[in-house]
Amino acid sequence: DGGITQSPKYLFRKEGQNVTLSCEQNLNHDAMYWYRQDPGQGLRLIYYSQIVNDFQKGDIAEGYSVSREKKESFPLTVTSAQKNPTAFYLCATPRTSGATGELFFGEGSRLTVL
Amino acid sequence: AQSVTQLGSHVSVSEGALVLLRCNYSSSVPPYLFWYVQYPNQGLQLLLKYTTGATLVKGINGFEAEFKKSETSFHLTKPSAHMSDAAEYFCAVSEGNTDKLIFGTGTRLQVFP
Repeated sequence: DGGITQSPKYLFRKEGQNVTLSCEQNLNHDAMYWYRQDPGQGLRLIYYSQIVNDFQKGDIAEGYSVSREKKESFPLTVTSAQKNPTAFYLCATPRTSGATGELFFGEGSRLTVL
Repeated sequence: AQSVTQLGSHVSVSEGALVLLRCNYSSSVPPYLFWYVQYPNQGLQLLLKYTTGATLVKGINGFEAEFKKSETSFHLTKPSAHMSDAAEYFCAVSEGNTDKLIFGTGTRLQVFP
């Protein structure tokens, strides 16, 4: 089945460590997105990529980095520079080409900093 | 710049009662508006979408929303709540004709038997 897969589902990190969250899609879509979700704040855009080897900062990119070396993969690294990394991270891609705003989300990765 | 405001972070209804979740938007261009639902520890699923045309939009699971330009609103309704409707609901607006969505802060719906 076509879809989007995030891993790991749960992740624990010590302060000062970098951690990478995986996002893979087999829908053959160009665009991919990373959102951060905090209670009471909705979803905020971290980074997005419209095409391979290109990506743009979203509203809260500080302390995060991404790469887009392959069409199907868009990993997110939470660096030690991110001051408050504990959150639920969601990756998304358009449900179908041309369906503006209709995003298909992964099941998320919950990061907890100890 | 576009934005959305969801009134009420928590809404509680009895099973069988009307569900009304409120969303107001701000946009300098004709908006594309969305409602998404999130069940615990899962990603978001699209409920419905408004682009142009008919102002009453029907979605999945019996939900519908009405676009009211004069009130800049896009409230979500369902005539009769079911226990399975308990979830968090997000209203969103897209930045122009793009996939970049701006989300509201969410409304958690509780359904009591």
